Amino acid sequence: GAVVSQHPSWVICKSGTSVKIECRSLDFQATTMFWYRQFPKQSLMLMATSNEGSKATYEQGVEKDKFLINHASLTLSTLTVTSAHPEDSSFYICSARMRGEKLFFGSGTQLSVL
Amino acid sequence: AQRVTQPEKLLSVFKGAPVELKCNYSYSGSPELFWYVQYSRQRLQLLLRHISRESIKGFTADLNKGETSFHLKKPFAQEEDSAMYYCALRPIYNTDKLIFGTGTRLQVFP
Repeated sequence: GAVVSQHPSWVICKSGTSVKIECRSLDFQATTMFWYRQFPKQSLMLMATSNEGSKATYEQGVEKDKFLINHASLTLSTLTVTSAHPEDSSFYICSARMRGEKLFFGSGTQLSVL
Repeated sequence: AQRVTQPEKLLSVFKGAPVELKCNYSYSGSPELFWYVQYSRQRLQLLLRHISRESIKGFTADLNKGETSFHLKKPFAQEEDSAMYYCALRPIYNTDKLIFGTGTRLQVFP
């Protein structure tokens, strides 16, 4: 079946640094990828929708300058958390959509900002 | 406001017992409803969707528009059903967006 690879699976960084998370569709082309954030014991919240070759669409309340999304190819989208702070610590999950609307999820990235 | 509510954080049953994971939604139109499952150390994956009206791994879910519910049911739970289950809603007007509930952890004891 289709696989979405997300890397890294966990990262610890100092406050003020930037962190990049990659999301790759390994055996299919994904015209659309999604980025979610999940705080402990809360639901997954959609942050942004990423379309190949165009600017990402951010959900209300998500700072686009803080969470930079790049979808440079049909198999890769990246999320960069710029100038990370402790309140950005969370579990970030990407998903990619195949034709036919089926969604495949990455395994997630646990970000801890010290 | 659009919202998905899963009132139970944890549901524990013994093997062979019936299971019902509750999901209620708040949406003014006709949404698409889904159940996603996450087994231990695995990624989130689609279990079933209401449009398909199918039974997957013995699970079924019926959309009840009157009660705005989409409860997930299985008549006889198995140990391998132990996982985290998320109910999700997709608005008809925005097929890109999935609104998730907070999830219910199902534990099936031998």
